[in-house]
Amino acid sequence: DAGVTQSPTHLIKTRGQQVTLRCSPISGHKSVSWYQQVLGQGPQFIFQYYEKEERGRGNFPDRFSARQFPNYSSELNVNALLLGDSALYLCASSSRDYSYNEQFFGPGTRLTVL
Amino acid sequence: AQKVTQAQTEISVVEKEDVTLDCVYETRDTTYYLFWYKQPPSGELVFLIRRNSFDEQNEISGRYSWNFQKSTSSFNFTITASQVVDSAVYFCALKTSYDKVIFGPGTSLSVIP
Repeated sequence: DAGVTQSPTHLIKTRGQQVTLRCSPISGHKSVSWYQQVLGQGPQFIFQYYEKEERGRGNFPDRFSARQFPNYSSELNVNALLLGDSALYLCASSSRDYSYNEQFFGPGTRLTVL
Repeated sequence: AQKVTQAQTEISVVEKEDVTLDCVYETRDTTYYLFWYKQPPSGELVFLIRRNSFDEQNEISGRYSWNFQKSTSSFNFTITASQVVDSAVYFCALKTSYDKVIFGPGTSLSVIP
């Protein structure tokens, strides 16, 4: 079975630009979460979506937005990029079964803002 | 507030030594989950273990073992007879509601041959 997939693998943008990152969850998983991992730090929670609705949001500015599609895939959008947005962006999916709250992570998208 | 502390930033051990990675967490929730993840240089987080707040049994899986103590809010991870392939960054994480996972800052483990 395919795991969580993310695209693109790497991305280079300049300040002020906009970027869209994509994530496909494991088949059957309805929950997708996004995390930002700055070099040398642990991942920081950005958003969580379940059944196309936002269920949680971390302490990130409004420049960050996301959505989930009917097939449960998800996009993370970041507008007006800043140098500090350079990070590894991780997507995680889960089945939303409360007895089994494990998240499976994708390989991430490494974003570099110049 | 929820928080995860991993006081050890970097650890170096010689191959075959045992090593323990410390994790201390804070939460007011009575129901929560604790995790350990491994992040090799490739970057993908690899799930190692999940433990819920009602199960304080220690667990052993091969060379890995985990010690969960609610009294001290700790969830420590021990690797026995370490190997070079164990070199990675290890994250302890806490999960309460709505799939939000709070990660610690990580411990970078280097196993020297």
